[in-house]
Amino acid sequence: AQTVTQSQPEMSVQEAETVTLSCTYDTSENNYYLFWYKQPPSRQMILVIRQEAYKQQNATENRFSVNFQKAAKSFSLKISDSQLGDTAMYFCALLTQGGSEKLVFGKGTKLTVNP
Amino acid sequence: EPEVTQTPSHQVTQMGQEVILRCVPISNHLYFYWYRQILGQKVEFLVSFYNNEISEKSEIFDDQFSVERPDGSNFTLKIRSTKLEDSAMYFCASLGAEVKLFFGSGTQLSVL
Repeated sequence: AQTVTQSQPEMSVQEAETVTLSCTYDTSENNYYLFWYKQPPSRQMILVIRQEAYKQQNATENRFSVNFQKAAKSFSLKISDSQLGDTAMYFCALLTQGGSEKLVFGKGTKLTVNP
Repeated sequence: EPEVTQTPSHQVTQMGQEVILRCVPISNHLYFYWYRQILGQKVEFLVSFYNNEISEKSEIFDDQFSVERPDGSNFTLKIRSTKLEDSAMYFCASLGAEVKLFFGSGTQLSVL
């Protein structure tokens, strides 16, 4: 079975600073993908970034980057130059292939960016 | 950018009534999903659909739930006899060859 754990229920950061959200996961599959989704107060689920497990290079999307440590099964999200619009719930998620093609979510981290 | 469309955005129903939630996935995507999220809680998998049949379902997806893709574009979730605990945000999602799961904006279901 696949599991995703986010150990930080809430975090806060000052505008323009950098924050890192933690995520660990567990799977016995070799082929999988990891995602971070943002859920603002509107409750829409917005894809932030994706990482293929077979790639060693960490994914980057503008101010968002990940630190993917495959051996440790760790997948953290770094938000640089935090903006007020980054205030949201952030969910880490795991998609395995070759059997169960479904996304499994962590419980989320509520991030507040303070002015 | 293509998007997943869900209707209605809000649905209010009486306990015991049937509801149908509708979704139009991204046209060239292969896998379709329903998830739900009770307010303040995690996003829970309900069911996946591939090649016109259910691929996998969770323990939540019991006999009161069903899914259909009636016309090759729409993807529906039916709840036959709603319960108070079915009140939640229901998300439709679709997965394409690029392995990115895109979500619709959700249907907020309120069962009274």
